[in-house]
Amino acid sequence: NAGVTQTPKFRILKIGQSMTLQCAQDMNHNYMYWYRQDPGMGLKLIYYSVGAGITDKGEVPNGYNVSRSTTEDFPLRLELAAPSQTSVYFCATTAQGWNTGELFFGEGSRLTVL
Amino acid sequence: EDKVVQSPLSLVVHEGDTVTLNCSYEVTNFRSLLWYKQEKKAPTFLFMLTSSGIEKKSGRLSSILDKKELFSILNITATQTGDSAVYLCAVEPNTNAGKSTFGDGTTLTVKP
Repeated sequence: NAGVTQTPKFRILKIGQSMTLQCAQDMNHNYMYWYRQDPGMGLKLIYYSVGAGITDKGEVPNGYNVSRSTTEDFPLRLELAAPSQTSVYFCATTAQGWNTGELFFGEGSRLTVL
Repeated sequence: EDKVVQSPLSLVVHEGDTVTLNCSYEVTNFRSLLWYKQEKKAPTFLFMLTSSGIEKKSGRLSSILDKKELFSILNITATQTGDSAVYLCAVEPNTNAGKSTFGDGTTLTVKP
């Protein structure tokens, strides 16, 4: 099992460009999340999804969009990249149920906007 | 708005020392508090705490939750250089989406 796979691992964008960060999981988890982590800071929630076809905004959604057409995939789209979006992006999943909580993370995607 | 505050922000110790990391929180409708360890890459899960006063233990690491005073501590005894990492605390609300709110982390450096 691969767990949670993110691509690309690194990317440099110019201001105004767009791109999609891919996230795929083979854990059959319904809940998926996108977090960003700025240097020296914790993780901030961008968007989340509780199942295919259902997405919602987190704490810092501006400048991003998501879709969830399948259980496995949860891509994050950056439109009109800005230097403030320079960060490390983590995709995470968790199982549905009472004893949930533990997040399973991908290895992260480091994005630099110049 | 849910909030998590960790202290200290950073800590430098020598091998063999014991350290205590703190996490205080405010959350609407608490479900659980989680500790993660983050080295170079993604956070990895350490503990999930849901009940006050019950210590969770794994090797040299242990953690306890106080739901009345809204805080948790993470203890590491006999520290080793491999314990050097950022330790993140997160709280999970009791909602359908289970969205965790993270603190800014404590950076622990263990010197030989």
